[in-house]
Amino acid sequence: ILNVEQSPQSLHVQEGDSTNFTCSFPSSNFYALHWYRWETAKSPEALFVMTLNGDEKKKGRISATLNTKEGYSYLYIKGSQPEDSATYLCAPAYSGAGSYQLTFGKGTKLSVIP
Amino acid sequence: KAGVTQTPRYLIKTRGQQVTLSCSPISGHRSVSWYQQTPGQGLQFLFEYFSETQRNKGNFPGRFSGRQFSNSRSEMNVSTLELGDSALYLCASSLDATEYETQYFGPGTRLLVL
Repeated sequence: ILNVEQSPQSLHVQEGDSTNFTCSFPSSNFYALHWYRWETAKSPEALFVMTLNGDEKKKGRISATLNTKEGYSYLYIKGSQPEDSATYLCAPAYSGAGSYQLTFGKGTKLSVIP
Repeated sequence: KAGVTQTPRYLIKTRGQQVTLSCSPISGHRSVSWYQQTPGQGLQFLFEYFSETQRNKGNFPGRFSGRQFSNSRSEMNVSTLELGDSALYLCASSLDATEYETQYFGPGTRLLVL
């Protein structure tokens, strides 16, 4: 069973603050890391798929970095807005035998206070 | 393009009954994965189907089963329901079954077992 850790579990920030959270995962046979945003009463929505060591992705005010050798990724949100309130999930994927399985962490729940 | 659809959206069953949930993937997507989410737990992988074949299965008892049809629609079945099966069941589809493919999630079926 893979151990995917996300920290912190929850976070409250003021509107306008920048914030970041961490996803840690086993690095052996790692192939790709997926980040999702899950707003209440909606479906999880894909943010990024990252595959390369040192990879950096950006989507508006949200960016992510990846360290495949040590098995972690950071997600950054610059100038948080109330609409950023959601649970952010990471899911590493591992190579092997044509099977495809994402193992999700429990997520970081972000609340942005207006 | 229509998104992933799941039916029914809500379901109430009693212990011992069985239930069938349905998932229609995005048109052209051949891979369908199923996840269970319970309070305090992250998204837990149930199984993945690609071209009517189950390619991977999570750590769930045999009461949980699924299948995929030639049009890529998928169903999952839970027999002999237990109280602990109360959860949100999500399906996700992707174009292909590779580690870097984005999975697109449906709205989920919320199952309550009494």
